[in-house]
Amino acid sequence: AQSVAQPEDQVNVAEGNPLTVKCTYSVSGNPYLFWYVQYPNRGLQFLLKYITGDNLVKGSYGFEAEFNKSQTSFHLKKPSALVSDSALYFCAVRDLGSQGNLIFGKGTKLSVKP
Amino acid sequence: EAGVAQSPRYKIIEKRQSVAFWCNPISGHATLYWYQQILGQGPKLLIQFQNNGVVDDSQLPKDRFSAERLKGVDSTLKIQPAKLEDSAVYLCASSLWDSGNTIYFGEGSWLTVV
Repeated sequence: AQSVAQPEDQVNVAEGNPLTVKCTYSVSGNPYLFWYVQYPNRGLQFLLKYITGDNLVKGSYGFEAEFNKSQTSFHLKKPSALVSDSALYFCAVRDLGSQGNLIFGKGTKLSVKP
Repeated sequence: EAGVAQSPRYKIIEKRQSVAFWCNPISGHATLYWYQQILGQGPKLLIQFQNNGVVDDSQLPKDRFSAERLKGVDSTLKIQPAKLEDSAVYLCASSLWDSGNTIYFGEGSWLTVV
């Protein structure tokens, strides 16, 4: 069965510093991987996805993610964090064996302090 | 392009009462999903439609939850009777029919059962 793990419940970063939110996955076959962000009392907003091709994927709001097949990881990164990046971040994998719905990690709360 | 529309945004009901949530997907999206997100967890699929047919409802508690997508566009999710543990955010999402396509989410319907 497909699954994703987000090992950190919370990540704290100072504004202007680089940030990394970790995600590892377990799939059979080629993974389709996604990152979403959720602000308080809002739905999920799509940030970026990896389907195939370049291992470094660029997305919205200056975020990028690096796909690493040997480490089965898909970490979310940003070179310089903003206070407005503070939110809940979800990694997800597309379950190709179950009509393609998304399987989510438990989420990582990112807190960026001024 | 209009996003996924959901209503109502917030609902408070007493246990054993009923509630219904409505969703209008992005125009042209054949696939529609309902997810349940309990506080502190990632979203979990309740039901997936392809046009007006059910693709996956294996995780839908069918003794109290029902969903329909008449005419292959709008969808309604109903809970009757509600239990305290149904307190959650109900997220509607839609996508084109292809596993590489992005799933887009609405703002969610926040249910509190008291």
